[in-house]
Amino acid sequence: AQKITQTQPGMFVQEKEAVTLDCTYDTSDPSYGLFWYKQPSSGEMIFLIYQGSYDQQNATEGRYSLNFQKARKSANLVISASQLGDSAMYFCAMREGDGNNRLAFGKGNQVVVIP
Amino acid sequence: KAGVTQTPRYLIKTRGQQVTLSCSPISGHRSVSWYQQTPGQGLQFLFEYFSETQRNKGNFPGRFSGRQFSNSRSEMNVSTLELGDSALYLCASSLRTGSTYGYTFGSGTRLTVV
Repeated sequence: AQKITQTQPGMFVQEKEAVTLDCTYDTSDPSYGLFWYKQPSSGEMIFLIYQGSYDQQNATEGRYSLNFQKARKSANLVISASQLGDSAMYFCAMREGDGNNRLAFGKGNQVVVIP
Repeated sequence: KAGVTQTPRYLIKTRGQQVTLSCSPISGHRSVSWYQQTPGQGLQFLFEYFSETQRNKGNFPGRFSGRQFSNSRSEMNVSTLELGDSALYLCASSLRTGSTYGYTFGSGTRLTVV
């Protein structure tokens, strides 16, 4: 069964607008971590934001915020004030448990920011 | 500080050959994980090494193997290459297991099997 689901088709976003990328996950482990990564065309995976399953508040990192809805098993990424450099693939990932570094990734969302 | 270094960046190999990819983690990081990325299957976990020990292994055949050295550098080896092994191979390093601040990835090695 798929652990991470990202179903949105490719998106075109106007520069300076906000964009929300959807991510739903599936786990029975009470302890897990959720990550968002950005992958530009160069191929490198760039860490954006982390949310732990026990975190009480939604994570924020600069222009990135995570809308964490635990009961719905949803961890959507919000990018505010989009910039041209935000054009990339965005991946949601999950680590189940605490004693490992094994990430399960979604299929990704393609975002293109247009001027 | 230097990031995660993967070498080589590009490789072209023939079916049946074997290949070794290298990953040097960030200084001080002891955990190295490997991932395979293909258009069809997406990003899939291969294995994780911590302090020279394999901690986790993904669902890949035994042709895929790895190791980690005392300086935390890691290598992965693929024997008897198949066309389907063509992929971007990414490694990620972290200070320890169960990292909460994210994993730092290298730029990857793009392997093409012909």
